[in-house]
Amino acid sequence: GAVVSQHPSRVICKSGTSVKIECRSLDFQATTMFWYRQFPKQSLMLMATSNEGSKATYEQGVEKDKFLINHASLTLSTLTVTSAHPEDSSFYICSAVSFLAGAETQYFGPGTRLLVL
Amino acid sequence: GENVEQHPSTLSVQEGDSAVIKCTYSDSASNYFPWYKQELGKRPQLIIDIRSNVGEKKDQRIAVTLNKTAKHFSLHITETQPEDSAVYFCAASLGNYGGSQGNLIFGKGTKLSVKP
Repeated sequence: GAVVSQHPSRVICKSGTSVKIECRSLDFQATTMFWYRQFPKQSLMLMATSNEGSKATYEQGVEKDKFLINHASLTLSTLTVTSAHPEDSSFYICSAVSFLAGAETQYFGPGTRLLVL
Repeated sequence: GENVEQHPSTLSVQEGDSAVIKCTYSDSASNYFPWYKQELGKRPQLIIDIRSNVGEKKDQRIAVTLNKTAKHFSLHITETQPEDSAVYFCAASLGNYGGSQGNLIFGKGTKLSVKP
């Protein structure tokens, strides 16, 4: 149990275009999902907290108009990188909160590698 | 806000030896401390976690200890194997059980290399 998927796994796009990344919890419902960004050889940096049915909460320094988050259902959150630029190239990872054995745990998706040319 | 420091940044051990990675946190309200293993280009995998009402937890070759007074927690891997080679991240959460009431603050990671 507690499987999280992400799509696409890899995307290459031209500068100025928008890219949508999907995060799905496959075998559980997640009212909360998190979006992280990871640059090469660095740690995971939280970008935003996605709550089903409400607006996302963004971390300081993350532009909410550039990184649009929609958590439309209990199993799906999407991150749209608008007007992508080369500096947005990174590994984007989502996580979903699962309530197992009476405790909440985060499980990560496989990540999406974005390359902006 | 919470700040998590992780040491060392790289660790090289001989197969069969033990490896220890240490983390400190700044906010005494943190109550959930997971450890993740991440292989190159893959997702972080939860390997063990500990909550603030417990001082130690063990799962086969992996153990985690927590010292709330000193605000530090450590990962111990015994009888290391080459397949243990990866980057390990510690994390701390301010919320109840580290879930929807609290996001994870990660350490910078430790690259563990186990030499055959």
